[in-house]
Amino acid sequence: DGGITQSPKYLFRKEGQNVTLSCEQNLNHDAMYWYRQDPGQGLRLIYYSQIVNDFQKGDIAEGYSVSREKKESFPLTVTSAQKNPTAFYLCASSIRTGGGADTQYFGPGTRLTVL
Amino acid sequence: AQKVTQAQTEISVVEKEDVTLDCVYETRDTTYYLFWYKQPPSGELVFLIRRNSFDEQNEISGRYSWNFQKSTSSFNFTITASQVVDSAVYFCALSSLPQKVTFGIGTKLQVIP
Repeated sequence: DGGITQSPKYLFRKEGQNVTLSCEQNLNHDAMYWYRQDPGQGLRLIYYSQIVNDFQKGDIAEGYSVSREKKESFPLTVTSAQKNPTAFYLCASSIRTGGGADTQYFGPGTRLTVL
Repeated sequence: AQKVTQAQTEISVVEKEDVTLDCVYETRDTTYYLFWYKQPPSGELVFLIRRNSFDEQNEISGRYSWNFQKSTSSFNFTITASQVVDSAVYFCALSSLPQKVTFGIGTKLQVIP
């Protein structure tokens, strides 16, 4: 079945540690995205990538890093520089149609808690 | 700047009632797209509908219907004969560029049996 997988589902981190969240898709989508969701707020874009080996900062990129070495994979690293990393992280992907906005499809999310 | 307002933060209805979720948007672009997503308790966002700014026809899909009115910048979502499985957070979103989607804060719908 085609889809987007994120792992782990739950992640606990000690302060000062870097952690990496995995996102894999087998939909053959070109673009991939990372969002952060906090209680009572909408989704905020962290990073996005439209093609392999290229990515762009979103609205809240500070304290995060990404890589896009393969089309299927877009891992997110939450660094120790991120001051308030406890949140729900969602990965999404979309086909680039070359026109207007593309429909984004989402993975199941990773809930990160800093202890 | 783009903005999406979902003024209803939480709604409770009794099963089989109809319910409408409001969405008001702001944009200066003439070409844009509107979306609705459902987020059940499991957390994954499920795509429901995509509508472009040139298509004001209302859409019906089973018990779901959407009313797009450019004159009032609204894209409201109605669930007819609600069911417990409809309980979720529903997000309205707006985009005029492929990589830039603005989400509302969501409306939490609780359907009581």
